[in-house]
Amino acid sequence: QLQLQESGPGLVKPSETLSLTCTVSGGSVSRSSYYWGWMRQPPGKGLEWIGHISYGGSTYYNPSLKSRVTISVDTSKNQFSLRLSSVTAADTAVYYCARLTVAGTRFDPWGQGTLVTVSS
Amino acid sequence: EIVLTQSPATLSLSPGERATLSCRASQSVSSYLAWYQQKPGQAPRLLIYDASNRATGIPARFSGSGSGTDFTLTISSLEPEDFAVYYCQQRSNSITFGQGTRLEIK
Repeated sequence: QLQLQESGPGLVKPSETLSLTCTVSGGSVSRSSYYWGWMRQPPGKGLEWIGHISYGGSTYYNPSLKSRVTISVDTSKNQFSLRLSSVTAADTAVYYCARLTVAGTRFDPWGQGTLVTVSS
Repeated sequence: EIVLTQSPATLSLSPGERATLSCRASQSVSSYLAWYQQKPGQAPRLLIYDASNRATGIPARFSGSGSGTDFTLTISSLEPEDFAVYYCQQRSNSITFGQGTRLEIK
């Protein structure tokens, strides 16, 4: 059964770069029929798509975050990663990774999520 | 950007009742619409994809319908574990989520 697990610092200082990794088990990030995505959810609010990546490295980003986001994939480690630069308090959220069909029609499954707080 | 508007924001019903949740798109998304359920402290779970297809393991009481700009998630007879927040998501133009409908126990 495919499982995803986010990892990374839970606290990031303002203006610094948030870095998270999603480790995939029970399946391979190299499968061409899937993309691998990141979403976030500020406390008490709704879901926001951040972006996604193919195993070959093609990336697709939310236009509102595009200037600050980098998503990469490491097929040798079966992981993909998120970097979000110049963070502010508004970037405080639970960050989720998930598998996305190539058609983009659904995210399934999701990781459990990790809370990242931006604070000095 | 396609905006998804979910209604109502909150729906108060009792177990055994029928729930009808709406998701309206600002422009056509064809049938590229998914529904997710999220319980407190948990990640979202896929319920419905391509507007009307149930995901693996999802009970038959959950059904989806619609195309174009108007979509509906129906729960035929509410179970206690169904009270949660529900989100719709489209991928026709970029990817966006609706703001959610909270289904609470009356």
